[in-house]
Amino acid sequence: DTGVSQDPRHKITKRGQNVTFRCDPISEHNRLYWYRQTLGQGPEFLTYFQNEAQLEKSRLLSDRFSAERPKGSFSTLEIQRTEQGDSAMYLCASSKTNTEAFFGQGTRLTVV
Amino acid sequence: AQSVTQLDSHVSVSEGTPVLLRCNYSSSYSPSLFWYVQHPNKGLQLLLKYTSAATLVKGINGFEAEFKKSETSFHLTKPSAHMSDAAEYFCVVGPNTDKLIFGTGTRLQVFP
Repeated sequence: DTGVSQDPRHKITKRGQNVTFRCDPISEHNRLYWYRQTLGQGPEFLTYFQNEAQLEKSRLLSDRFSAERPKGSFSTLEIQRTEQGDSAMYLCASSKTNTEAFFGQGTRLTVV
Repeated sequence: AQSVTQLDSHVSVSEGTPVLLRCNYSSSYSPSLFWYVQHPNKGLQLLLKYTSAATLVKGINGFEAEFKKSETSFHLTKPSAHMSDAAEYFCVVGPNTDKLIFGTGTRLQVFP
């Protein structure tokens, strides 16, 4: 499969725990995006990378959230001290510069 | 600032009848506009995109959308609905592919 891959697909965690999600973009894509989607809403932009550089972060990305793309390939999104409000679908997408974005199937996070 | 408003949260049609999903946008400069579809347990898929070329844009699976600047609209249409079209549809605006801003979605139901 040459699409965008996200792992895990589902994650249940207790409030206060840390979680980390991984995204593997399409191999030749230099841009990588993270979005969050809550029930009944459209995806909301969180952050994006061009190669290894994080170019923009949304105000939605609180200090508990951090994203990395260390070698310009895969990316990780970490949430520290999870809260129930963090429960959502976390979507990753990738693209070449100024071309359409391709989305992964997402990681569904449930904080209990 | 940019935003999109999807005018209907739910649309129901009978198989074989036309589909109309409405979207209005707001942008202080010439926007790029997209329609994405999300099937249950699948990633977001691009249906079509407008990037200041032809105002009538044809997409996959028989969908098309018309960019009307005077009405700030980008409605999605299909002449004849198919059962497989049942899904969530998102109207999206962006400067290009950076920081896409999604609408709240329209759930399309198709009845036999």
